[in-house]
Amino acid sequence: GAVVSQHPSRVICKSGTSVKIECRSLDFQATTMFWYRQFPKQSLMLMATSNEGSKATYEQGVEKDKFLINHASLTLSTLTVTSAHPEDSSFYICSAGSGGHYGYTFGSGTRLTVV
Amino acid sequence: QQQVKQSPQSLIVQKGGIPIINCAYENTAFDYFPWYQQFPGKGPALLIAIRPDVSEKKEGRFTISFNKSAKQFSLHIMDSQPGDSATYFCAAKRAGANNLFFGTGTRLTVIP
Repeated sequence: GAVVSQHPSRVICKSGTSVKIECRSLDFQATTMFWYRQFPKQSLMLMATSNEGSKATYEQGVEKDKFLINHASLTLSTLTVTSAHPEDSSFYICSAGSGGHYGYTFGSGTRLTVV
Repeated sequence: QQQVKQSPQSLIVQKGGIPIINCAYENTAFDYFPWYQQFPGKGPALLIAIRPDVSEKKEGRFTISFNKSAKQFSLHIMDSQPGDSATYFCAAKRAGANNLFFGTGTRLTVIP
C-alpha cells in the first residue's frame, strides 16, 4: 500500500531557530501534498497545499513567510518553520496523494516543541 | 465555518458494543467521504470511504451508512474492541478538488 514517511517524529528547538520537517512518499509519486496542523484534542487544520514544481497554496491566516513549503520532487515535500516561537508548538502532519488517487495517505506526524 | 459537522465529541462503549459516529454536511458538491482513525501521537489512517452513489459500505467490522437526501453519513463499528479506542474523523472532498474537509473528531473509548 501507499506509505508516507515523515521525519522527524519529534523535535525540540529554541525560540528563534528554524526547523525543517520532511515528508516522503515511499512507493508512489505524489503530485499533491498537504500540510496540516493539529492542536491537542482538536481536528486537523489544513495549512497549505503543494503541487510538485509549483508554489504552495496557503490557507487563509497561514503565514507563508513563516511556514515555507517546498515540493521539489514527486516524492518529497518539506515544511520549514522559520524563526519558531512557542506558539508554533504543535503536531504537524503531512499527507500525500497522486492524480486520481482518492485515498490520501498521512504521515505519522511531527511533534514540534519550541522552548 | 465547519464544512463537516461531527458528533458526538466523545463516546464510551463496552467491549462488543456498536459505537456509532455521525457526520453531516451541506455542500452537495462533496463526492467522497472517508473515515480516518488516529491514535495518540500518530497520523490519521484511512479506515473506509464511500461515494454518494451507494447507501452502505462494509469493510470488516466497519460500516458506513450514507443518506444522500439528509446529507448525513455515519460510521458503525461492530463488535468493538479495546484496541479500537482512538479518535475518529470523518471527512469530505469536493468533486474536482484535492483537499479534504475534516470533522471535529470523536474520541472513542472501548471498555474491556
